[in-house]
Amino acid sequence: EVQLVESGGGLVQPGRSLKLSCAASGFTFSNYYMAWVRQAPTKGLEWVASITNSGGSTYYRDSVKGRFTISRDNAKSTLYLQMDSLRSEDTATYYCTRGRTFDYWGQGVMVTVSS
Amino acid sequence: EIVLTQSPTTMAASPGEKVTLNCLASSSVSYMNWYQQKSGASPKLWIYGTSNLASGVPNRFSGSGSGTSYSLTISSMEAEDVATYYCLQLSSYPPFTFGSGTKLEIK
Repeated sequence: EVQLVESGGGLVQPGRSLKLSCAASGFTFSNYYMAWVRQAPTKGLEWVASITNSGGSTYYRDSVKGRFTISRDNAKSTLYLQMDSLRSEDTATYYCTRGRTFDYWGQGVMVTVSS
Repeated sequence: EIVLTQSPTTMAASPGEKVTLNCLASSSVSYMNWYQQKSGASPKLWIYGTSNLASGVPNRFSGSGSGTSYSLTISSMEAEDVATYYCLQLSSYPPFTFGSGTKLEIK
């Protein structure tokens, strides 16, 4: 059974950093692209970043470029999102999702940026 | 960036009624995915590659479209179909873009 379990969320002040993790199981992690998608409270879904299966290429939405870093450790079957210089508009539930089709999703982790 | 416009924003359907949700792209895309999100839950892949049902999706659902116009159809509305449905284009990136969603309710 495919499982994606996010962790690392919480309340953080504007300008500070947070690192999210997504532990994957039930499939060969190194064979799949991975992505982060977020959803602000009561809002729709928004793609944040993607990474190729080897980690050799990464893609970001403009609003997080230069502040967020997506990475992966294939030996640990874990996806990461390092979030620096956080802003109030980054407040959202962050989901990790699998593959080029976003076919499986984690349960999500809440990030609140507030003073 | 390709913008996806979903319509209607909200709709209510009676049990047994046929339902059509629309997704209009600002530029042509190769295919469309659809996701179902129930209240308080994570999104689920519902339809991929425009017309392929994800595992476990009832066959009362179907997807169609091409170019800039795509749709998700429920042939006969059921109470369990209450959810918000999002379209997603994956063929032109970055960025991948979602529609703003259609909230489907039951009368």
